[in-house]
Formats: sequence, C-alpha cells, structure tokens
Amino acid sequence: GENVGLHLPTLSVQEGDNSIINCAYSNSASDYFIWYKQESGKGPQFIIDIRSNMDKRQGQRVTVLLNKTVKHLSLQIAATQPGDSAVYFCAELNYGGSQGNLIFGKGTKLSVKP
Amino acid sequence: EAGVTQSPTHLIKTRGQQATLRCSPISGHTSVYWYQQALGLGLQFLLWYDEGEERNRGNFPPRFSGRQFPNYSSELNVNALELEDSALYLCASSPTGFPTDTQYFGPGTRLTVL
Repeated sequence: GENVGLHLPTLSVQEGDNSIINCAYSNSASDYFIWYKQESGKGPQFIIDIRSNMDKRQGQRVTVLLNKTVKHLSLQIAATQPGDSAVYFCAELNYGGSQGNLIFGKGTKLSVKP
Repeated sequence: EAGVTQSPTHLIKTRGQQATLRCSPISGHTSVYWYQQALGLGLQFLLWYDEGEERNRGNFPPRFSGRQFPNYSSELNVNALELEDSALYLCASSPTGFPTDTQYFGPGTRLTVL
C-alpha cells in the first residue's frame, strides 16, 4: 500500500549502481525462500525464489544468495533502475511445519536516485 | 490473463462494526491466502483456503474469519472491528495448495477503522 514504506530500513542507491538487500530469517528449518517487491499502491510481486539445497540463484538482473549457516538471505540487483524503487520483502517457508503459509520479513525500502 | 482482484479498494468503518472484504483469484487458481499489512510492518498471514476449505490460519483472533466459494473466490470477514485492525488487507492466489506454488497478490483493500 501507499504507506508500506514508513518506518522501514531504507537503502538509497544511485541509478546504475548495484543494490544489495539483506534479510535475516528466523527458522533454521525453513526450506524455501522468496523475495517479493511491493511498489506503492500495489500488492507484492514475486521476484525470485531459492530452495534450501541451493546457495545461489540468478534471474534477470537479480541474484539471491542463501547462507544457511547464519540464516541470511540477500537480494542483489544489478544496474539498479528508478523502476526498482519499492519495498522488498523476504519470505520463508517450512514445508513440514507451516502447512503452506509464508512468513514475511518486515521489508526494506529501496530508493533509487537518478 | 486477469490478475487477482480485490474489492473494495478502500473501506471505512467505525469501531465495533463488521467489515467484509472480497477476493477473486486468478482463473484456474484454487488456493487463496489472506494477509494483513499494518503500517510499517511486514505481511502477517491470516488465512489460507484451498478447494473450499480452510487449510491454515495465522495468529489472529476468531473475529477474523472467512470462506471460499465454489468458484474459488473468497471473503474475509472481520467482526467487532478495533482501531488496530486498520491496515491493508492483501489477498493472494496460487495454482494449487502446494507450498512452493508462487503466490500472486492483488492490490489490497485499505481498511480504516475510526
């Protein structure tokens, strides 16, 4: 929604630079992780996912890194563009425990300066 | 292909009233999820419906309830509204109830409780 970015950690980057958004997840038993992007006034949009048996996955201009040792997930955006400005959420899923519901992090607001 | 739709876009109620929010999933999707996104917070899982049945619910009081209709559309009802229920309510759908099915989000309903 339009106010989703208030009170959130903010990352400010210059257009064209690379962005790295970090997320600490809570459950060491989580099997599956997703990054969502939420622009002002819109619902979250799927960006990329990764399973726990992987440590890296690449998409178009985005890379997700998973470090299970420290329960850390990161999203790297290459050549950041103004259209990347949004709030980014990580989400985790434990196949066995949660019966299908995702646990979302609080989000990071990415602000791209032209 | 039409995305997830939600109605109304905005809803204003007073404390103690009831609110009904509606969601139409993407055609062919059988699973519907409801989330609450309060100001400055991440998405909190509310309810999950699949094939007309409630599969899981989050840590919310019983006055949050819902249902899924035979056409897979869904309704979220919030009884005895409280001020802290003011939030963006997001609905998502996925093709099946398999945990790693991508969830596609609607634009949300902004509920304001006065």
